[in-house]
Amino acid sequence: DAKTTQPPSMDCAEGRAANLPCNHSTISGNEYVYWYRQIHSQGPQYIIHGLKNNETNEMASLIITEDRKSSTLILPHATLRDTAVYYCIVRTTDSWGKLQFGAGTQVVVTP
Amino acid sequence: NAGVTQTPKFQVLKTGQSMTLQCAQDMNHEYMSWYRQDPGMGLRLIHYSVGAGITDQGEVPNGYNVSRSTTEDFPLRLLSAAPSQTSVYFCASLSVSYEQYFGPGTRLTVT
Repeated sequence: DAKTTQPPSMDCAEGRAANLPCNHSTISGNEYVYWYRQIHSQGPQYIIHGLKNNETNEMASLIITEDRKSSTLILPHATLRDTAVYYCIVRTTDSWGKLQFGAGTQVVVTP
Repeated sequence: NAGVTQTPKFQVLKTGQSMTLQCAQDMNHEYMSWYRQDPGMGLRLIHYSVGAGITDQGEVPNGYNVSRSTTEDFPLRLLSAAPSQTSVYFCASLSVSYEQYFGPGTRLTVT
């Protein structure tokens, strides 16, 4: 599976949009981009995933560049409860068992 | 649905003791997996299963055994606990739309 690069940390003001970047320049054509988050001391939580089209659900939006080498997770109106470590992962749907979590981005939402 | 449940929440073992971490899901997911998370690090895959009767090793399988006799349950056995196995253990299952759901974790300390 392709590796990803994320900034180690970022701050966001409450009520503003949080834009989390992820670089996956070696992504293959059949690999999906997945985003998870982990709030302190809890299990990771699935957020969203996509292949090449932009995706939106009740939690977030996922914007994937046309060349698929990078993506951005958008939390439209950050709240204090969005403070967490966010993980970007790329993988094929048949390699999920080897899901590799990196260090992620620590997002701190401030009042 | 209860989702993915894990027991116990906390456990302290002495070196050399054995124990089983329990994991169950009520979503009828075929795919399940076990991860460990050490302080300040991402998750590492221990073992996974693609269905009842089928298991395979992940990134860090040494010292752990698994079995999958039913779709619902996927226990993780520590054969002879070592201090290096002090960690937080997460069980997860995967939906048919490739959304991964994690349990709340078991915090294990080996002295």
